[in-house]
Amino acid sequence: AQSVAQPEDQVNVAEGNPLTVKCTYSVSGNPYLFWYVQYPNRGLQFLLKYITGDNLVKGSYGFEAEFNKSQTSFHLKKPSALVSDSALYFCAVNQAGTALIFGKGTTLSVSS
Amino acid sequence: GAGVSQSPSNKVTEKGKDVELRCDPISGHTALYWYRQSLGQGLEFLIYFQGNSAPDKSGLPSDRFSAERTGGSVSTLTIQRTQQEDSAVYLCASRPDRAAGNTIYFGEGSWLTVV
Repeated sequence: AQSVAQPEDQVNVAEGNPLTVKCTYSVSGNPYLFWYVQYPNRGLQFLLKYITGDNLVKGSYGFEAEFNKSQTSFHLKKPSALVSDSALYFCAVNQAGTALIFGKGTTLSVSS
Repeated sequence: GAGVSQSPSNKVTEKGKDVELRCDPISGHTALYWYRQSLGQGLEFLIYFQGNSAPDKSGLPSDRFSAERTGGSVSTLTIQRTQQEDSAVYLCASRPDRAAGNTIYFGEGSWLTVV
């Protein structure tokens, strides 16, 4: 069975500093990995995904994520955080014929 | 429409009543999902429709929950005899086809409160 773990419930970072939101996964085959962001009282917005190819994936709003097969990780990163990045971030994994499975989410708080 | 549309956006119902939540996916998308997000919780998969195939109902929490998708487009999630623990945001999502690498797009959700 596939699963996703986000080990941190909350990440705090000062504006202008780099941020990392961690995600590890467990699948039996090739993973398709996604990051979504949820702002208060809103639905989920797609940020980026890894399907195949380059391990470093670039997405919306300056976010990027690095796929590491040996560590089964797909951490979300941004070189310089903004206060407006404060939100709930979800990592997810998908395989053919199954539903997208989400981690529990990590709240990112960026202070000014 | 341009995105996934859900209605109602908010619903308050009395315990024991039935509720119906509607999802209108992105036009042409063959895959449709329902998820539940409880306060402070992650996203719980409920049901997955793909084209004309039998739906994956493995996430439905009890037989009070059911969903249908008519004509391969609009879907309705029905909760019978609602309980207070059913209070949550119900999110619908769609994807162009069955390819696992395709992006899934979410609606804004239906906020259900059972009093």
